[in-house]
Amino acid sequence: AQKVTQAQTEISVVEKEDVTLDCVYETRDTTYYLFWYKQPPSGELVFLIRRNSFDEQNEISGRYSWNFQKSTSSFNFTITASQVVDSAVYFCALRREAGNMLTFGGGTRLMVKP
Amino acid sequence: KAGVTQTPRYLIKTRGQQVTLSCSPISGHRSVSWYQQTPGQGLQFLFEYFSETQRNKGNFPGRFSGRQFSNSRSEMNVSTLELGDSALYLCASSRSPQDDRKYFGPGTRLTVT
Repeated sequence: AQKVTQAQTEISVVEKEDVTLDCVYETRDTTYYLFWYKQPPSGELVFLIRRNSFDEQNEISGRYSWNFQKSTSSFNFTITASQVVDSAVYFCALRREAGNMLTFGGGTRLMVKP
Repeated sequence: KAGVTQTPRYLIKTRGQQVTLSCSPISGHRSVSWYQQTPGQGLQFLFEYFSETQRNKGNFPGRFSGRQFSNSRSEMNVSTLELGDSALYLCASSRSPQDDRKYFGPGTRLTVT
């Protein structure tokens, strides 16, 4: 069975601070896909990134960066110079190669204070 | 391009009643998935539809059912509502089951009293 753990339930930072959201996953599959989604107060989940299990290259997109380490089964998300608009709940998720079902972590609520 | 639409946005029902929630995917998207979000259990997969066929189903009792129409719109139905069914029900659409870029709707918040 798949499992995704986001140990940080809530993080509070002051604007312009860097913040890292942790994600640890469990799977016996060799091929799988990892995701991050953002859920703002409006409710809809917003897709941020997808990585497959064979691509451990870190990725940067603007102020966002992702660090995938297969050796530690982690897929961490860093926001550089956080802004108030980054306040949301962030979910890490995993999908098996077969099937379209996402297994989500419990989410991390990020509060960025001005 | 209009996003995923879910109706109604809010719903209050009584235990034992049944409810139908609707999801209209983004134009051109043919795959629809449903998720239940609760404070206790988090986000859990309910089912996925493509071309009017259910492709996958999560670990939910038979009281939870769904369907997809030829225009890709989807409905989910919960019968004999229980207090524990109170949740935010999210619908996601994508072009195909293989397309991982899913677009989620704002959800329907169901409260069972």
